[in-house]
Amino acid sequence: EAGVAQSPRYKIIEKRQSVAFWCNPISGHATLYWYQQILGQGPKLLIQFQNNGVVDDSQLPKDRFSAERLKGVDSTLKIQPAKLEDSAVYLCASSLTNSNQPQHFGDGTRLSIL
Amino acid sequence: DQQVKQNSPSLSVQEGRISILNCDYTNSMFDYFLWYKKYPAEGPTFLISISSIKDKNEDGRFTVFLNKSAKHLSLHIVPSQPGDSAVYFCAARASGNTPLVFGKGTRLSVIA
Repeated sequence: EAGVAQSPRYKIIEKRQSVAFWCNPISGHATLYWYQQILGQGPKLLIQFQNNGVVDDSQLPKDRFSAERLKGVDSTLKIQPAKLEDSAVYLCASSLTNSNQPQHFGDGTRLSIL
Repeated sequence: DQQVKQNSPSLSVQEGRISILNCDYTNSMFDYFLWYKKYPAEGPTFLISISSIKDKNEDGRFTVFLNKSAKHLSLHIVPSQPGDSAVYFCAARASGNTPLVFGKGTRLSVIA
């Protein structure tokens, strides 16, 4: 079974620029998650989708972050404009359902803001 | 306010011995707990989980113990191997559409 695919692996931008990340979950997984992992911390949930609907976006900084999951499969996460504190690894994960099923993670996108 | 705490940032163990990684939580509504392993430049990989109706779950060399009254869980790796060297994250969630909450991780080094 193919895992969660993310691109790009690395991105370097200047503050105030915009950036987008892409995620393709495991086939058949209805639930998709975006996490932010700052150095030395555990992953923190930004947004959770069930199919193409948002289940939880309470920790998403909505003034600059947006995400969508058109057609309930692939997803994109966008930051516009980026701030220095957005430097982190952005992880995408998916699970079969949103109940007690383990989440499977992609390898993430490492974002550096100059 | 950290709801999931891994108080040991790092741990070194000799190959063949037991590794014990600890995790404490504060939210009594948590009823599902997971351990993830993470290698550098890779995403976290699911290792083992336990629900609150159990106090032990075993999978090969990995065993997770849950003490609900102490709000404490631990991961035992026996015997430890050099390939187990990684960062281990404890995570927990409450029932319903609640987010998974992660600890800060413990870096395990297994020395040959």
